[in-house]
Amino acid sequence: SQQGEEDPQALSIQEGENATMNCSYKTSINNLQWYRQNSGRGLVHLILIRSNEREKHSGRLRVTLDTSKKSSSLLITASRAADTASYFCATARNTGTASKLTFGTGTRLQVTL
Amino acid sequence: EADIYQTPRYLVIGTGKKITLECSQTMGHDKMYWYQQDPGMELHLIHYSYGVNSTEKGDLSSESTVSRIRTEHFPLTLESARPSHTSQYLCASSESGGQPQHFGDGTRLSIL
Repeated sequence: SQQGEEDPQALSIQEGENATMNCSYKTSINNLQWYRQNSGRGLVHLILIRSNEREKHSGRLRVTLDTSKKSSSLLITASRAADTASYFCATARNTGTASKLTFGTGTRLQVTL
Repeated sequence: EADIYQTPRYLVIGTGKKITLECSQTMGHDKMYWYQQDPGMELHLIHYSYGVNSTEKGDLSSESTVSRIRTEHFPLTLESARPSHTSQYLCASSESGGQPQHFGDGTRLSIL
């Protein structure tokens, strides 16, 4: 079964509005990461939050992590048309290999003018 | 920007052909990965490598094989392509396990 599930599956907002995406996971993690994927391209790493952190900021991005609820959220403030993309969370698990990432199902964000 | 390259970007080929998808990175990363992604869907890890001469199968079973003879190069091979192999294949690398991965732009493979 997949480690990460995201909601909503799709989100359409207007430029200037905030976008919030949520990610839930099932097992203990070492860290959680968010990636963006533009259509037809590879993934681009946005932000990493460790299991002992609760909140992290990077520019217009704000990520929270609640390990008791096994959930994370990504907030994009003052969205722009260029933010249109799919956003994936990925968890790095506390296993012997501790190396593999498991990706969520993704949220498709559409930002309109 | 990450320096990881995949070729070809698009490949349409007939059933039964042998295919090699190329992936190269210039960052000196030890860890490299191959993912399979159907349109609009999540990524599934099919192969990974922790260094030269080290390869492991991922979470999703795949008929493809990989090799890691050089640090910078991690090609994926399908000996006999089938329509069920039609998908996008993404290559990635990272400095160490669990750390941010850098992705190539992928190869979109279509088997007729």
